Amino acid sequence: GQSLEQPSEVTAVEGAIVQINCTYQTSGFYGLSWYQQHDGGAPTFLSYNALDGLEETGRFSSFLSRSDSYGYLLLQELQMKDSASYFCAVREGKAAGNKLTFGGGTRVLVKP
Amino acid sequence: EAGVTQFPSHSVIEKGQTVTLRCDPISGHDNLYWYRRVMGKEIKFLLHFVKESKQDESGMPNNRFLAERTGGTYSTLKVQPAELEDSGVYFCASSQDRWGGYEQYFGPGTRLTVT
Repeated sequence: GQSLEQPSEVTAVEGAIVQINCTYQTSGFYGLSWYQQHDGGAPTFLSYNALDGLEETGRFSSFLSRSDSYGYLLLQELQMKDSASYFCAVREGKAAGNKLTFGGGTRVLVKP
Repeated sequence: EAGVTQFPSHSVIEKGQTVTLRCDPISGHDNLYWYRRVMGKEIKFLLHFVKESKQDESGMPNNRFLAERTGGTYSTLKVQPAELEDSGVYFCASSQDRWGGYEQYFGPGTRLTVT
């Protein structure tokens, strides 16, 4: 079957660094996306990796290793506003359109 | 530019009733997706429209769910009759280009509660 595994919850203090791991097992793989969702809000796109390596966007970075079917999202200099749920999602391939398969989400709680 | 909007934001109905959810994608986005999150589980794909055509409806749980996108603009998702297990948050997303774009823009969701 298809599955994406990520930790259910992470707690950290302001200014800290958090790494959210995501391992995936899907029938196809075209790229790994990360989305952020605040309670009651819309999932918001953060980053996308199609090739191995690190993508940096401000305080957030995302990494992908296709050979290990593994990726992570790195949140640096944590701020209170980063408290949210973070989802990894696989784009399975062009033949599958742009359909996303999501992980269960990681709830990040930032404490003062 | 307005984002993806969904209506209603919340809906509470009784088992056996009918509910229709609406999604207005970002203007100009040909691709429209429906997803849902049930009971705090993962967000799951339901179906994908390209303009007015259903490209992929492999995620639709059963024939109680009917999605339409007349004219290739807004879309509706009807649940008839609703069952308890249909409770959850229904998200709509849109994207501009099927091949070149990888970012999907999500709406805030409709929280459906079936009692």
